[in-house]
Amino acid sequence: NAGVTQTPKFRVLKTGQSMTLLCAQDMNHEYMYWYRQDPGMGLRLIHYSVGEGTTAKGEVPDGYNVSRLKKQNFLLGLESAAPSQTSVYFCASSYATGRNFYNEQFFGPGTRLTVL
Amino acid sequence: RKEVEQDPGPFNVPEGATVAFNCTYSNSASQSFFWYRQDCRKEPKLLMSVYSSGNEDGRFTAQLNRASQYISLLIRDSKLSDSATYLCVVTKPNDYKLSFGAGTTVTVRA
Repeated sequence: NAGVTQTPKFRVLKTGQSMTLLCAQDMNHEYMYWYRQDPGMGLRLIHYSVGEGTTAKGEVPDGYNVSRLKKQNFLLGLESAAPSQTSVYFCASSYATGRNFYNEQFFGPGTRLTVL
Repeated sequence: RKEVEQDPGPFNVPEGATVAFNCTYSNSASQSFFWYRQDCRKEPKLLMSVYSSGNEDGRFTAQLNRASQYISLLIRDSKLSDSATYLCVVTKPNDYKLSFGAGTTVTVRA
């Protein structure tokens, strides 16, 4: 199993450009998450999904959109990139066990994005 | 106030030393607690869950103090390979989301 994979690994954008980050997991997990990590800030949740076809806003959703058309994929889009979106983006997935939501999250290797 | 706060460190310790650090959380209803480990420029990985009675995993001991709303991690007999950033993670009841601390950096020197 590959676990959680992310593409691309690195990307440099100019202000105003758009791009999509792809996250894929082969563990049949119900839940998927997008985080950004900035120095001194820790991981902040952007958007998440609790199942195919569902998405919800996290802590810092502005400037991002997501889609979960297939259970195994979770896409993060930046419509008009800004320098403030320079960050490391991590995707994660976890499994559902009924009422227990606090399961281990498995992370992808991250995408390092620079917006000039 | 941040939901989860950690001393960023760094904690610089020699091999074989014991190092311990805490994490405080603001929501008294927090339900589950974890320590994740993150190596430089890599993804976070689960180190251990933290149980109410405290728990050990080899050289690592985690404790929970609900009254004072903090959890702790103690590393005994530190190895060079323990050098990493340790993330404190907290969940709330009936919530799909985890709250991460900014991390405590530990550097073990030879």
